Amino acid sequence: EPEVTQTPSHQVTQMGQEVILRCVPISNHLYFYWYRQILGQKVEFLVSFYNNEISEKSEIFDDQFSVERPDGSNFTLKIRSTKLEDSAMYFCASSEMQGRNQPQHFGDGTRLSIL
Amino acid sequence: ILNVEQSPQSLHVQEGDSTNFTCSFPSSNFYALHWYRWETAKSPEALFVMTLNGDEKKKGRISATLNTKEGYSYLYIKGSQPEDSATYLCAFKRNQGGKLIFGQGTELSVKP
Repeated sequence: EPEVTQTPSHQVTQMGQEVILRCVPISNHLYFYWYRQILGQKVEFLVSFYNNEISEKSEIFDDQFSVERPDGSNFTLKIRSTKLEDSAMYFCASSEMQGRNQPQHFGDGTRLSIL
Repeated sequence: ILNVEQSPQSLHVQEGDSTNFTCSFPSSNFYALHWYRWETAKSPEALFVMTLNGDEKKKGRISATLNTKEGYSYLYIKGSQPEDSATYLCAFKRNQGGKLIFGQGTELSVKP
């Protein structure tokens, strides 16, 4: 069964450094998302992306964050200057369409640790 | 602020027990309610997407119901097995946009 893949599984970065989290969504999917879960908290929405532009973003997704689909397969989340509070599990998800009955398919996540 | 709440936070049952948990969500501006099963170190797995008041969906021993007027959904597991041990997440969607608003999850542990 097709799946969403994320790399790396764990990323350790010094505060202030840039980090890029990578995702390969399911191949025929058109809608892409990033979520994150800070330890002990709820999974929270960051951004949705369709047709090479951001459809919606949360308050968390400030100027330090950006997303890109650099080619036909990858979908990346960049954090320009990481902060301690960016430490979290980051999930990429994709869906074929945005219809009412469409589930979002999630990757295994990247655990980001900021030192 | 939209809030999605799940209860209980955790549940410990014996193999063979049937169990259920609750997801509460805003009853206004309802679009869809998603249930996910999330095992440690794996990706959340989509179980159900529920859209209509009164919906009942079933997948093997797992079933779910939906009440959009009062803003709750129940997930039932019949005859729990150790492999059902996971965190069960519900997520509320209020419009056609993609944003899912998650509850905190119910952590289920099934002892053999």
